Amino acid sequence: TQLLEQSPQFLSIQEGENLTVYCNSSSVFSSLQWYRQEPGEGPVLLVTVVTGGEVKKLKRLTFQFGDARKDSSLHITAAQPGDTGLYLCAGWLYSSASKIIFGSGTRLSIRP
Amino acid sequence: DTGVSQDPRHKITKRGQNVTFRCDPISEHNRLYWYRQTLGQGPEFLTYFQNEAQLEKSRLLSDRFSAERPKGSFSTLEIQRTEQGDSAMYLCASSPRGLLGEKLFFGSGTQLSVL
Repeated sequence: TQLLEQSPQFLSIQEGENLTVYCNSSSVFSSLQWYRQEPGEGPVLLVTVVTGGEVKKLKRLTFQFGDARKDSSLHITAAQPGDTGLYLCAGWLYSSASKIIFGSGTRLSIRP
Repeated sequence: DTGVSQDPRHKITKRGQNVTFRCDPISEHNRLYWYRQTLGQGPEFLTYFQNEAQLEKSRLLSDRFSAERPKGSFSTLEIQRTEQGDSAMYLCASSPRGLLGEKLFFGSGTQLSVL
């Protein structure tokens, strides 16, 4: 059973459209991170959210941490082909502050 | 380039053979992680080190897997008697101190194919 569930698993949209990716869990996280991974490479950190209800913006990307610290979302405005990749949420558990747990990933494809 | 480096990038082996992967973390990073990732999935935690001490191992890590970080710098991951189910991308990551919420720096991974 995946501790962090991401939805959708796959998303293919047209350039210029908006999209939202969700990351959900029944567990409470002390902080949550979003990474982006390209084929043949390791994940690269996009953002860390640490406070329940926190919203962070990174250009066209908006990240939100749920009030209960169990879920998060990533919203992309006016998607571009360069946004294509595997988006991974990852959480640090209160019960095991020693390692980070990754979600199942959302594979995003932006068509020109 | 001062990022995390992994060697080799690709490894093809026959079932039953032993393989060893190497990870060189960013210099002076105390925390080092190993993850395994299969196609279309997120990375699965295998083990981590704080300096030279291996502090946790996942239940995914059978007796055929062993990892070391002898001097608290580079690390090796060995798989003995490989099986086809071991085919995956093996990712190494490091972080400066191992603090909660700290950024992980990943290498490009070693892609293992067991025939």
